[in-house]
Amino acid sequence: DQQVKQNSPSLSVQEGRISILNCDYTNSMFDYFLWYKKYPAEGPTFLISISSIKDKNEDGRFTVFLNKSAKHLSLHIVPSQPGDSAVYFCAASPPNDYKLSFGAGTTVTVRA
Amino acid sequence: KAGVTQTPRYLIKTRGQQVTLSCSPISGHRSVSWYQQTPGQGLQFLFEYFSETQRNKGNFPGRFSGRQFSNSRSEMNVSTLELGDSALYLCASSLGDRGSEAFFGQGTRLTVV
Repeated sequence: DQQVKQNSPSLSVQEGRISILNCDYTNSMFDYFLWYKKYPAEGPTFLISISSIKDKNEDGRFTVFLNKSAKHLSLHIVPSQPGDSAVYFCAASPPNDYKLSFGAGTTVTVRA
Repeated sequence: KAGVTQTPRYLIKTRGQQVTLSCSPISGHRSVSWYQQTPGQGLQFLFEYFSETQRNKGNFPGRFSGRQFSNSRSEMNVSTLELGDSALYLCASSLGDRGSEAFFGQGTRLTVV
């Protein structure tokens, strides 16, 4: 049972434009959300996180938005750069739980 | 400091065999989690160990097991391999506090033939 869903398997965006990645979850108990980035032949690396007490967290070019009522979060990358081309996973966990539930990933390609 | 090291990087096994994968966490990290990544499925949580104790377990059959040693190194074992076990197996280490960043290794690519 996939509790975290990334419905867009791929996204192509022009360099300098905004990339918007979406993620939906079904478990209303989730209160901590993360985004990971993965290059081929490497393990995922942590990008940015947000707890349910916030609706926005920003770190440089990366901003994560959380809409708890819609059980939806999104990652905005502005401006997109060629080095951003990778697979992006969103993940979530409930309180007092160390297990992360991941989405299937979205492959982002940034075109020059 | 050294990152998370997984060995071997690649492995080919035959159906019915068993396999052991190893993960050395970042020094000082006491938590090691294991994930299975297959195309279209994302990362599926297998289990998490903290201070040699399994603290959390995903929904995988009993053929998948693990352990953690006193130096925090962890091993994952899969017995009676099936074709569907072919996947990238990733381990992640962290300090173990909720919200502490998890650092992933490069993974072990297991192919079952």
